[in-house]
Amino acid sequence: KQEVTQIPAALSVPEGENLVLNCSFTDSAIYNLQWFRQDPGKGLTSLLLIQSSQREQTSGRLNASLDKSSGRSTLYIAASQPGDSATYLCAVRGGYQKVTFGIGTKLQVIP
Amino acid sequence: DAGVTQSPTHLIKTRGQQVTLRCSPKSGHDTVSWYQQALGQGPQFIFQYYEEEERQRGNFPDRFSGHQFPNYSSELNVNALLLGDSALYLCASSLALGNTEAFFGQGTRLTVV
Repeated sequence: KQEVTQIPAALSVPEGENLVLNCSFTDSAIYNLQWFRQDPGKGLTSLLLIQSSQREQTSGRLNASLDKSSGRSTLYIAASQPGDSATYLCAVRGGYQKVTFGIGTKLQVIP
Repeated sequence: DAGVTQSPTHLIKTRGQQVTLRCSPKSGHDTVSWYQQALGQGPQFIFQYYEEEERQRGNFPDRFSGHQFPNYSSELNVNALLLGDSALYLCASSLALGNTEAFFGQGTRLTVV
């Protein structure tokens, strides 16, 4: 059974700081990994998708890496802004397209 | 291009009642998955529909059922509602072929009283 863990559970940083969110998964037989952002009470917004054959993906100030063999992914946010405050979720897609989520990291960027 | 749309956005039901939630996938997508997200938790996979059939199912009781229509839209039905069914219900659409990105709707907030 796939299990996804995200560390830390919560993070508070001053504006402008670079930060790293971590995601680990127990079964390395995945097809892809996706990072999402969720604002309070809202749905999920896709940030980055990394296929199992890829090592990293970048979009603007966001960079996500994937080390499938060790079951780890990181989301790097450069020059954080108050608008980045949200919960960040990691999800892995395994066999039969089943997707397993972590609980998320709640990020607060302080102006 | 409309993304994934869900209706209604909010719903209040009484324990024991039945509820139906609806989802229209992103244009061009043929697969719909449903998730339940309790407060402070990550989304939990309920089931997935493709070609009008349930293809995969998570660890949810038979009170949870669904349907997919020929236009790929989908419904989630929950019978005999329990207080513990209160959650945000999320719908995601994707393509069956290839490891494509999943797109989520804004969710339906269900409160059971």
